[in-house]
Amino acid sequence: EPEVTQTPSHQVTQMGQEVILRCVPISNHLYFYWYRQILGQKVEFLVSFYNNEISEKSEIFDDQFSVERPDGSNFTLKIRSTKLEDSAMYFCASSPQGRDNQPQHFGDGTRLSIL
Amino acid sequence: DQQVKQNSPSLSVQEGRISILNCDYTNSMFDYFLWYKKYPAEGPTFLISISSIKDKNEDGRFTVFLNKSAKHLSLHIVPSQPGDSAVYFCAATSGNQGGKLIFGQGTELSVKP
Repeated sequence: EPEVTQTPSHQVTQMGQEVILRCVPISNHLYFYWYRQILGQKVEFLVSFYNNEISEKSEIFDDQFSVERPDGSNFTLKIRSTKLEDSAMYFCASSPQGRDNQPQHFGDGTRLSIL
Repeated sequence: DQQVKQNSPSLSVQEGRISILNCDYTNSMFDYFLWYKKYPAEGPTFLISISSIKDKNEDGRFTVFLNKSAKHLSLHIVPSQPGDSAVYFCAATSGNQGGKLIFGQGTELSVKP
């Protein structure tokens, strides 16, 4: 069964450094998402992406965050200058359509640790 | 933001019995609801969903019930198996394309042999 893959599984970065989290969505999917889960808290929506542009973003997704689909397969999340509070699990998801009873499929996440 | 709430952080059930996981929501614009299952060190795995035009959806051992007037949904697992032990998340979304999912806090289910 096709799956969403994320790399790396664990990223340790010094505060203030840039970090790029990578995702390969399922190949025929059109909608892409990033979520995060801070330890002990809910899974929170960050951003959705369709047709090479952001569809929607949350308040969390400020100017320090950006997303890109640099080629036909990868979908990346960049944090320009990381803060301690960015430490979390980051999940990428994709769906074939945005709605119409098509569930989002999630990767196994990247654990981001900011020191 | 408490639009989706799972009030029970944990549930313990005997193997073979029914597990009932509950979820409440406040936003009447939600029209599609999903349950995800999550094992440690893995991402959420889609389990079952229901559209707001239905009140029940069944898939094997899993059934989701939706009570729109009460803004309440539940997931029934019967019979429960030890492999069902995981964290279960309720999620909801509204009608627009590319709609974000709003998650509950999760309920950790433990099925004891």
